[in-house]
Amino acid sequence: GAVVSQHPSWVICKSGTSVKIECRSLDFQATTMFWYRQFPKQSLMLMATSNEGSKATYEQGVEKDKFLINHASLTLSTLTVTSAHPEDSSFYICSARTGYPSGANVLTFGAGSRLTVL
Amino acid sequence: AQSVTQLGSHVSVSEGALVLLRCNYSSSVPPYLFWYVQYPNQGLQLLLKYTTGATLVKGINGFEAEFKKSETSFHLTKPSAHMSDAAEYFCAVSGVPGGSEKLVFGKGTKLTVNP
Repeated sequence: GAVVSQHPSWVICKSGTSVKIECRSLDFQATTMFWYRQFPKQSLMLMATSNEGSKATYEQGVEKDKFLINHASLTLSTLTVTSAHPEDSSFYICSARTGYPSGANVLTFGAGSRLTVL
Repeated sequence: AQSVTQLGSHVSVSEGALVLLRCNYSSSVPPYLFWYVQYPNQGLQLLLKYTTGATLVKGINGFEAEFKKSETSFHLTKPSAHMSDAAEYFCAVSGVPGGSEKLVFGKGTKLTVNP
C-alpha cells in the first residue's frame, strides 16, 4: 500500500534556529501533499496544501514566511519552520492524497514529526 | 463550510464490550466521511470511509460505521473491544472530488480499553 515517510520523527532545536521536516511518498507519486499541525490533545489543523511545482496554498492564519513549504518533486515536500520559537513546538504531520481520481480524497499520513523548541 | 463534532473526548470500555464512538457532521454538499485512528506519537491510519453507495461501511480491525443522512451522523462501532484498540479516533469530512476536498477533522475521541 501507499506509504508516506516523514523525517525526522523528533527534533529539538534552539529558539531562533530553523528546522526542516521532510515528507516523502515512497511508492507513489504525490502531486499534492498536505501539512497539518496537531496541538496536544487536539485535532489536526490543516496548515497548507503543497502542490508539486507551484506555490503552496496556506490556510488562513498560517504565516507563510514562518512555515516555508517546498514541493520540488513528485515524491518530496518539505516544511521549514524558520526562526523557531517555543510556541512553534508541536506535532507536524504530512499527508499525501492517494486513490484519486478513482478513490475519494483518501489521505495517507506520515508518522509525524515532533518539534520541541527550547 | 463543513464541520465535524465528536461527542465525548474520552470513551472508556471494558475488553469485550461494544465500542461506540459518535460523530456528527455538517456539510452543505454530499459528504465523504472518514474515520482515522492515531496511536501515540504516530500519524493517522485510515479505518474506513464512506463515499457513495452502501451506507454501512466496514473497515479494518473489525470496525464499521453507518452513514445516516437524516441524522447527519457517522458513528463508529466495534462489537467487541480489544486492548489493542486503545487509541485516539478522528472522524473527518470532505466534499466530493472537484468540490471542497479539504479534509476537516473532529477533535478526536480517546478510547481506553480496560481489562
